[in-house]
Amino acid sequence: LAKTTQPISMDSYEGQEVNITCSHNNIATNDYITWYQQFPSQGPRFIIQGYKTKVTNEVASLFIPADRKSSTLSLPRVSLSDTAVYYCLVATLGNMLTFGGGTRLMVKP
Amino acid sequence: NAGVTQTPKFRVLKTGQSMTLLCAQDMNHEYMYWYRQDPGMGLRLIHYSVGEGTTAKGEVPDGYNVSRLKKQNFLLGLESAAPSQTSVYFCATRDRGLRQPQHFGDGTRLSIL
Repeated sequence: LAKTTQPISMDSYEGQEVNITCSHNNIATNDYITWYQQFPSQGPRFIIQGYKTKVTNEVASLFIPADRKSSTLSLPRVSLSDTAVYYCLVATLGNMLTFGGGTRLMVKP
Repeated sequence: NAGVTQTPKFRVLKTGQSMTLLCAQDMNHEYMYWYRQDPGMGLRLIHYSVGEGTTAKGEVPDGYNVSRLKKQNFLLGLESAAPSQTSVYFCATRDRGLRQPQHFGDGTRLSIL
């Protein structure tokens, strides 16, 4: 399973755009990138996933360059409630997920 | 999280005791998973199931057993609890089909003294 590397923590302020970059240098052809969000005392919650280029939903955007060795989760205009841990994962077609340590995002007023 | 219910939410055990954690889902999903999460770390897969009557080992299966007698339930058992199994346990489900996301329960916090 492809290993991912992402920053341990990030700080932001309300209303700002937050970009969290994840590297996955040994991603395989059939793998896809998926992001989860976890609040304290809750299970992870699916945010977005993609294979290449750009994917956007009502919560976030995901940018994946052509070589797919990295990806960037973009959260527009964050609020205090976006304070959470964000996990970048590379999933195989069988959807076996390997979680790393995640990025702890702290949004300040 | 709607659809995935874990029982109990909290439990304290003594070393050597046994217990079973229950995961129940009402989404009719084929796949179910058990993870553990230790402080400050990501989740690690213990066991999983790709359908009723099937189970398979994940990354950290030792000390645990599982059963999937009914499609909607996935049980995780600790036969002889050890302090190293103190953790938060999460169950997840996934629908059949390529690239379907996993849906997680809110976890069971287990302490073993």
